[in-house]
Amino acid sequence: DIQMTQSPSSLSASVGDRLTITCRASQSISNYLNWYQQKPGKAPKLLIYAASNLRSGVPSRFSGSGSGTDFTLTISSLQAEDFATYYCQQSYSTPFTFGPGTKVDIK
Amino acid sequence: QVQLVQSGAEVKKPGASVKVSCKASGYTFTGYYIYWVRQAPGQGLEWMGRINPNSGGTSYAQKFQDRVTMTRDTSISTAYMELSRLRSDDTAVYYCARDKGDVYNWNDYWGQGTLVTVSS
Repeated sequence: DIQMTQSPSSLSASVGDRLTITCRASQSISNYLNWYQQKPGKAPKLLIYAASNLRSGVPSRFSGSGSGTDFTLTISSLQAEDFATYYCQQSYSTPFTFGPGTKVDIK
Repeated sequence: QVQLVQSGAEVKKPGASVKVSCKASGYTFTGYYIYWVRQAPGQGLEWMGRINPNSGGTSYAQKFQDRVTMTRDTSISTAYMELSRLRSDDTAVYYCARDKGDVYNWNDYWGQGTLVTVSS
């Protein structure tokens, strides 16, 4: 199975901050990488698919980049509603494993 | 609008089985895979497997291979996930989600989740 890691595991930030979360795959996955946002008690929501494609309706402050083994999710200006946990997921080969998550909370 | 509506919370004893349903609406059920993902309390997301509602073909994570069965009933646009020989560490919220299943795979709509509690 492909192992996914994320850093940091948690961070504290303020509204307006620029945020970058890193995801690394244990082998090359090309651009088969998705990002999800999850708030407590809610199902995950798709933000980015195929590494850099913004899902329709997702604010443009979210962006994704990377290819191969290293990927990033960037939030250009953090908003109050962005405090949540973010997961990356590889869809290169089954099982489509998730990273352990990055929890973003208020500083 | 696309909706995936899951069955209600379950409490089971160790060794029992649980069957969770996921009813789809607002799209062509047979046109999208249904995935199952679980989340133990305070933990991350774990991919369990998927079913192709059109063919009935399945792919399971090896961890669950001998205990999970995913099925569907196309007449009522509903997918099912049955997990047998339950243990306490199967206590989790179980989600269904859909995927078009083209070259790239992603889950754009999710069910609300079903809490399964395994306790003696």
